[in-house]
Amino acid sequence: AQTVTQSQPEMSVQEAETVTLSCTYDTSESDYYLFWYKQPPSRQMILVIRQEAYKQQNATENRFSVNFQKAAKSFSLKISDSQLGDAAMYFCAYRSLYPGTYKYIFGTGTRLKVLA
Amino acid sequence: DVKVTQSSRYLVKRTGEKVFLECVQDMDHENMFWYRQDPGLGLRLIYFSYDVKMKEKGDIPEGYSVSREKKERFSLILESASTNQTSMYLCASSLRGAGNTEAFFGQGTRLTVV
Repeated sequence: AQTVTQSQPEMSVQEAETVTLSCTYDTSESDYYLFWYKQPPSRQMILVIRQEAYKQQNATENRFSVNFQKAAKSFSLKISDSQLGDAAMYFCAYRSLYPGTYKYIFGTGTRLKVLA
Repeated sequence: DVKVTQSSRYLVKRTGEKVFLECVQDMDHENMFWYRQDPGLGLRLIYFSYDVKMKEKGDIPEGYSVSREKKERFSLILESASTNQTSMYLCASSLRGAGNTEAFFGQGTRLTVV
C-alpha cells in the first residue's frame, strides 16, 4: 500500500522569503500523480500544484514550484516570495494511475505560518 | 464555478444518535469521497463511491456507512454516534478514473459528539 509522509508538522517563514515543505512517499508503482493542497483557516481545500511522475520537468505555478525526485520518492513544495495569505495547512497527496484505484492518499499535513 | 457543498459547517450531536452528513456536487463527477481530518493524522479515507449505488470501504470505515442514490449526492451516516467520532469531515469529488484529475472539496463539517 502507498503511504505519504510529511515530517514537518509546522514551519514558519518571514514574509517575502522562501520556504520549502517536505513530502516523501512510498510506492511500488512506476506511474502515479502527486498533488499539493492548501487548506486555509476557511477550511476550503484548494489545489496548489500537481505533478505527473512520468514527467521529468518539475511543475511550477506562479510562486509555487516542486522539486520532484522520483528515485528518492520525494516531492517538496517551494513557496517563493511568501505572502501572509500563504498561511495555511498544506497537504501532500498521492494518486495511482492504475484503473480501479480511485482514492487520494494524503500526508499528515504541514502548518505554515507567515511572519510579518 | 465548480462546487462541492456540505450540508452543515458545524454540527453537535448526542452520543447514540444517528447522524447524516450530506454532500452534493454540481460537476457531474463519478467519484465521491468522505474523509475524516484529525490533527496530526491528516486526511483519512472513510468511504468512496465511483458510481451511483457503488461504494468501497476506505481505511477507517468502522462505525460509518454511506449512501449514493443519485450521482450528485453522497451521504455519510454515523449509525450510532460516539465521542471518538468528533472530528472534521470532508467530502470530495473527482472525475472518473485514476490519474491527473484533481479532487474538489467541500468546506468541511465539524462534528462534535457530546
